[in-house]
Amino acid sequence: KAGVTQTPRYLIKTRGQQVTLSCSPISGHRSVSWYQQTPGQGLQFLFEYFSETQRNKGNFPGRFSGRQFSNSRSEMNVSTLELGDSALYLCASSLSGDTGELFFGEGSRLTVL
Amino acid sequence: GENVEQHPSTLSVQEGDSAVIKCTYSDSASNYFPWYKQELGKRPQLIIDIRSNVGEKKDQRIAVTLNKTAKHFSLHITETQPEDSAVYFCAAPGSGTYKYIFGTGTRLKVLA
Repeated sequence: KAGVTQTPRYLIKTRGQQVTLSCSPISGHRSVSWYQQTPGQGLQFLFEYFSETQRNKGNFPGRFSGRQFSNSRSEMNVSTLELGDSALYLCASSLSGDTGELFFGEGSRLTVL
Repeated sequence: GENVEQHPSTLSVQEGDSAVIKCTYSDSASNYFPWYKQELGKRPQLIIDIRSNVGEKKDQRIAVTLNKTAKHFSLHITETQPEDSAVYFCAAPGSGTYKYIFGTGTRLKVLA
């Protein structure tokens, strides 16, 4: 069974630009969540989607948004990029999103110059 | 508010010694506590978890203990090996469900 796939793996943007990251979950997993990982801050929850519905959202500004498609693939978008948005963005899938194992992708490393 | 505190931030042990990492959570309704291991440049992976109806769980050299009264849980690694070197994250469910609050991580170095 294929794991969680994230694209692109690396990208460099400049301040003010926008970026879209993609996540393909494990087949059969309907829950996709996104986390931002920065040194010293651990993993911070962005949002979670299940059956195309956002069920929870973290404490991030409205510049961070996401969506989920009918095939459970998910995208997140960050508009008007700031230097502080530089981070590793991790996507995780799970069967239901309730308590249980999260299967992480390898992440998309975003650098904002 | 919801919070998970993790200590220490770095830990160095000699190969063969034990390592203990502690986490404290704030939401008394939390009922599931996973631990993830992230090797350098790799994705986090679940290594062990515990639910609130048990106090301890073991899996070979790793164990997790839970003290619901004190709202803390700990990861214990015995007979550490160089391949145990990684960053370890604890987590607890956040409010509103469907999300986890992660600790800030512990960088474990096992010295050969």
